[in-house]
Order: sequence, then C-alpha cells, then structure tokens
Amino acid sequence: QSALTQPASVSGSPGQSITISCTGTSSDVGGYNYVSWYQQHPGKAPKLMIYEVSNRPSGVSNRFSGSKSGNTASLTISGLQAEDEADYYCSSYTSSSSVVFGGGTKLTVL
Amino acid sequence: EVQLVESGGGLIQPGGSLRLSCAASGFTVSSNYMSWVRQAPGKGLEWVSVIYSGGSTYYADSVKGRFTISRDNSKNTLYLQMNSLRAEDTAVYYCARVSAAYYGMDVWGQGTTVTVSS
Repeated sequence: QSALTQPASVSGSPGQSITISCTGTSSDVGGYNYVSWYQQHPGKAPKLMIYEVSNRPSGVSNRFSGSKSGNTASLTISGLQAEDEADYYCSSYTSSSSVVFGGGTKLTVL
Repeated sequence: EVQLVESGGGLIQPGGSLRLSCAASGFTVSSNYMSWVRQAPGKGLEWVSVIYSGGSTYYADSVKGRFTISRDNSKNTLYLQMNSLRAEDTAVYYCARVSAAYYGMDVWGQGTTVTVSS
C-alpha cells in the first residue's frame, strides 16, 4: 500500500488561508469517505483534526475544514495562527481493510 | 479520563523480539478498534496494525508475519509483539483508538521508542 501524496511543505502568513492536498487512489481516498487529518507538533502525539472528510471533533477550531473530490482530499486552515505551525497528515481507510497515511506536510506560519 | 499509555520500548539487537503494551483507561479496549502507528526518526506516520472489536486483525505489509497485535480484556491492554526486528523498525510506536464509525484515530498514547541496533 503506497502512502498518500501530500506536498512536503506549505506556508502562509497570519490571517491567511492555506490548503493541503492529499492524493490517493480509488482504493482508498476515492473509494471511501473515511479520510482523516491529523496535526502533530514536534515531540507530540498526533491529534485528530478532521474525520470522515469534513467533520471536526469537538474542541477543534472551525478554522479547520476538509473536503474531497475524486481521489484527492484537502484540508483548509483559515485565519492562520502561529499555533497552527505543525506537521499535518492525512489518512484513509483502504480496500485492504488497512489504513494508509500521507507523507506529511510541514506548515510554516511566516 | 480517556487515556492510553504505552510501555515496553527500548534498545534491541537486530533479530530480537520485543512486546509493547498500551494500557487504556476511561474506555474498554475490547469494545473498540485499536491500532498501532509508528514514526521513524524524522519521518512520517506509518500505520502498522489494527485489531477490530470482533478480534479480526490486519497488518501493514512491512510487518506482516513478524508482528502480532493482541489484547488482554482483563487488563484492558493492547499489545504488539514484535519479532525478527530490523533496523528499519526503529521508531516511536503509538497506540490509538480507532473509531469504528469513521476510521479516525481519536485517542492517542504518548508513544514508546523502539531502537533496533547492534
């Protein structure tokens, strides 16, 4: 199972919006609405930010939103804040009853 | 409080074995899907294995035949038995609760470090 494809890095200024893409295949992202997004700060465990493509767990800011079109999912962060600087990973359920992660995207807040 | 605490990591020689534990509190391991995810130094997240509430298990190709996921219902604990360890298994290992409804990992442990080196 190959990793989902994410850009290695993105950046934005405070207050701006950024979007991180996550491209898979019809056997994972395109075949199921079980796409999740995780935020990971250095030395910390990942934190679930988006589940089922576009749903936010309780406590996650509404500045975070998700979407999907075909085999590509996207995470958008609006109103960038310094605390959003972190690594972001997408994941998807797959037709093999497994889970696959993206390679990760480092977000820099300028 | 819902919490996961991993233990059992350490330095092990190539070819050796290690068993990781993940003690849960605030919820029942056997009623949930539970997963192991690892992260090699400076690298991204890699899914390792999952055990469903019904007992079915699945593994990443990279560990299939070498790793075994299991649980002890009486101890409310998840395990990962790792055999025939290789240098490329060096990573921080996280356990996580997986929502059966949407396959998102909503609770994570703090991780335990496994280093495979001679």
